[in-house]
Amino acid sequence: SQTIHQWPATLVQPVGSPLSLECTVEGTSNPNLYWYRQAAGRGLQLLFYSVGIGQISSEVPQNLSASRPQDRQFILSSKKLLLSDSGFYLCAWSVGRYYGYTFGSGTRLTVV
Amino acid sequence: TQLLEQSPQFLSIQEGENLTVYCNSSSVFSSLQWYRQEPGEGPVLLVTVVTGGEVKKLKRLTFQFGDARKDSSLHITAAQPGDTGLYLCAGGGYQKVTFGTGTKLQVIP
Repeated sequence: SQTIHQWPATLVQPVGSPLSLECTVEGTSNPNLYWYRQAAGRGLQLLFYSVGIGQISSEVPQNLSASRPQDRQFILSSKKLLLSDSGFYLCAWSVGRYYGYTFGSGTRLTVV
Repeated sequence: TQLLEQSPQFLSIQEGENLTVYCNSSSVFSSLQWYRQEPGEGPVLLVTVVTGGEVKKLKRLTFQFGDARKDSSLHITAAQPGDTGLYLCAGGGYQKVTFGTGTKLQVIP
């Protein structure tokens, strides 16, 4: 069966520090991978998506970057965090637009 | 930019009542999905509809895709406290979907 792992669950980081969030998928090959950010109780904002190794599409200009070093690994990074980077970050995978997304359990990031 | 507006934004009802959540857009989508999310967790897919006019039922939940594939509705019959959560619609594009603004539902026992 397919599973998605996302860690850490919570993270408190000072302003200006680096960030690395990791997401891995098991049980599927060549999935589409996504990073979303969610404001409290609201909809999801797409940050990055990837349809293959090394292929990254950015949806919004920001302080973040993403990489896909392996087929089932997706990493969200920042060199210097801003207060505005605080939020709930979600990783997801999909095999096609008709199949929906499977989400990880999320990372609650607080920048202080 | 494709936008999906959900209404109402918040809904608080008593256990046993019926409710309908709406998801509207000016854009046509190839598919539309509904998710439910509980606090501190990722959204969980409830259903995908792909044909205009399609109706799907999952126990007490009924999902409908508009004929023009621009809108959708979620109807819950006899709501239960376990239905509490954030409901999100999402419109399917080629490689990614656009998520709606969300409806926060609270069912009071």
